[in-house]
Amino acid sequence: AQTVTQSQPEMSVQEAETVTLSCTYDTSESDYYLFWYKQPPSRQMILVIRQEAYKQQNATENRFSVNFQKAAKSFSLKISDSQLGDAAMYFCAYRRTRSNDMRFGAGTRLTVKP
Amino acid sequence: DSGVTQTPKHLITATGQRVTLRCSPRSGDLSVYWYQQSLDQGLQFLIQYYNGEERAKGNILERFSAQQFPDLHSELNLSSLELGDSALYFCASSVESYTGELFFGEGSRLTVL
Repeated sequence: AQTVTQSQPEMSVQEAETVTLSCTYDTSESDYYLFWYKQPPSRQMILVIRQEAYKQQNATENRFSVNFQKAAKSFSLKISDSQLGDAAMYFCAYRRTRSNDMRFGAGTRLTVKP
Repeated sequence: DSGVTQTPKHLITATGQRVTLRCSPRSGDLSVYWYQQSLDQGLQFLIQYYNGEERAKGNILERFSAQQFPDLHSELNLSSLELGDSALYFCASSVESYTGELFFGEGSRLTVL
């Protein structure tokens, strides 16, 4: 079974600094998708960034970028120039291609200090 | 705004009761997924429908059931409710059954007293 592990229950960062959230996953598949979702206090799940496993280039969305290490089954999220609005729970998620469900990690709570 | 609409946003009920949660997917999305998030927990996959047909089941209890209607909206029925069923229930939708990201609604918070 595919599992997603987020080993950092909580992280904090100073405003304007950079923080990296870790995620590892377990799979025997070669073709899959990885995602980072943000859940602010409003509880809405918001897609932050996605990565297709067949792409070697790391995905980037403005201040958010990933470090995708396929062999190590690692998918970390880097947030640059952290802002107060980045404070939220961040969930790493895995979805096998041609699969019906998405598997989520337990989440990392990010606090941004002014 | 993800385009996925869930009602009700909040629901308080008693043990043993039955409730129905409703979800309207994004326009054009054929797949609907239901997830359960207990307090400060991750998301647990419950069930998925594609164009009216059940496609996958996760950790869904026998007391729970769901369906997707011809207009593609979906309902999650929770019966014989227990205290432990208190959670945030998310609906998500996607364009195709097997690819891409999911777009989530705001969730329905169920409190069982």
